[in-house]
Amino acid sequence: GIQVEQSPPDLILQEGANSTLRCNFSDSVNNLQWFHQNPWGQLINLFYIPSGTKQNGRLSATTVATERYSLLYISSSQTTDSGVYFCAVEDFGNEKLTFGTGTRLTIIP
Amino acid sequence: DVKVTQSSRYLVKRTGEKVFLECVQDMDHENMFWYRQDPGLGLRLIYFSYDVKMKEKGDIPEGYSVSREKKERFSLILESASTNQTSMYLCASSQRGGFYNEQFFGPGTRLTVL
Repeated sequence: GIQVEQSPPDLILQEGANSTLRCNFSDSVNNLQWFHQNPWGQLINLFYIPSGTKQNGRLSATTVATERYSLLYISSSQTTDSGVYFCAVEDFGNEKLTFGTGTRLTIIP
Repeated sequence: DVKVTQSSRYLVKRTGEKVFLECVQDMDHENMFWYRQDPGLGLRLIYFSYDVKMKEKGDIPEGYSVSREKKERFSLILESASTNQTSMYLCASSQRGGFYNEQFFGPGTRLTVL
């Protein structure tokens, strides 16, 4: 099956800093989603981005499908950005998501 | 606003008990999914369903069964709970097929088996 790798596994930053999270995947994908899991365990949809670039406030994401990676950018980090960020992909003809193991982001005041 | 709800946020059960976890979505989605999440392992798919009364095994179906009698409801059943089934369980739903099939998640159920 498709493999998904996220880096870095852990990231600790000062409030106000910018960060880049990476997701590499091993095959062509039909769907790629970024999620933020908050401290209570809820997975919040950030982006549905099988290709191209999207922006939502301080967050943006870019997927380069031909090179099999996606990047999540967080600018001017806030403490509420803390949590685990997951990338998940769906390969063609298969409506199931395969998740990476996540990046744990900690923003220090 | 899209909504996926799960019957309990926290659940404590004893070894050998039968456990039911319920998930309801109000988006008229065809696909529904059950995942478990464990530290260091990310989310792993247990079962999914793409229609009423239809089910398919995911990556880790052993020890679990599912039921989908109505389109909006998908139940995960632990026939005889064991301590290694202590985990966070997450339900999700999505539209079937088409070009846009984003998955939406419920708040999760943290199950402890003693």
